[in-house]
Amino acid sequence: AQSVTQLGSHVSVSEGALVLLRCNYSSSVPPYLFWYVQYPNQGLQLLLKYTSAATLVKGINGFEAEFKKSETSFHLTKPSAHMSDAAEYFCAVSDDQGGKLIFGQGTELSVKP
Amino acid sequence: NAGVTQTPKFQVLKTGQSMTLQCAQDMNHNSMYWYRQDPGMGLRLIYYSASEGTTDKGEVPNGYNVSRLNKREFSLRLESAAPSQTSVYFCASSEVKFWGALDGYTFGSGTRLTVV
Repeated sequence: AQSVTQLGSHVSVSEGALVLLRCNYSSSVPPYLFWYVQYPNQGLQLLLKYTSAATLVKGINGFEAEFKKSETSFHLTKPSAHMSDAAEYFCAVSDDQGGKLIFGQGTELSVKP
Repeated sequence: NAGVTQTPKFQVLKTGQSMTLQCAQDMNHNSMYWYRQDPGMGLRLIYYSASEGTTDKGEVPNGYNVSRLNKREFSLRLESAAPSQTSVYFCASSEVKFWGALDGYTFGSGTRLTVV
């Protein structure tokens, strides 16, 4: 069965610093991978997705993620954090049949002024 | 605006009461899902519907039932609410190709349920 692990339930960075949120998945077949963001008291919004095209995926709000098959990783990065990036971020992987998403536990990002 | 609409946004129930959470999407998606979100546990799938007329259990189906009323609507019912069902519930929809390609979910804004 597929699973996804997000390393670090809380990450704190200073405004302008690099954001790195880690995600590792288990998969016996090439998966579809997603990052979602959730702002307080809101639903989840798609940031970006990997669907076996380019390994470096660019998303909204300056975020990007790199698919590394050898490391089974799909880490999310942003070169310079902004206060508005403070939110919870979820990594998700499609199941073997492709129709359902399995979510990680989430990483709460705090941005300090 | 196109998207997924959930009602109600907030609900307080007493133990043993029943209620139905409503979800509707207007994107003509074939698949719909119900998740619950609890602190530190991410989102866990309760039930899903791959197409109109079909429903399947997810990871945590106990205590819940669902109905895929038509292509647009997918409801979640709690027959006898328990405090352990206090959670935030999200409905989502997606278009899933027959070969399994998934575009990603569109989420509703959630229902915050408290069972006392």
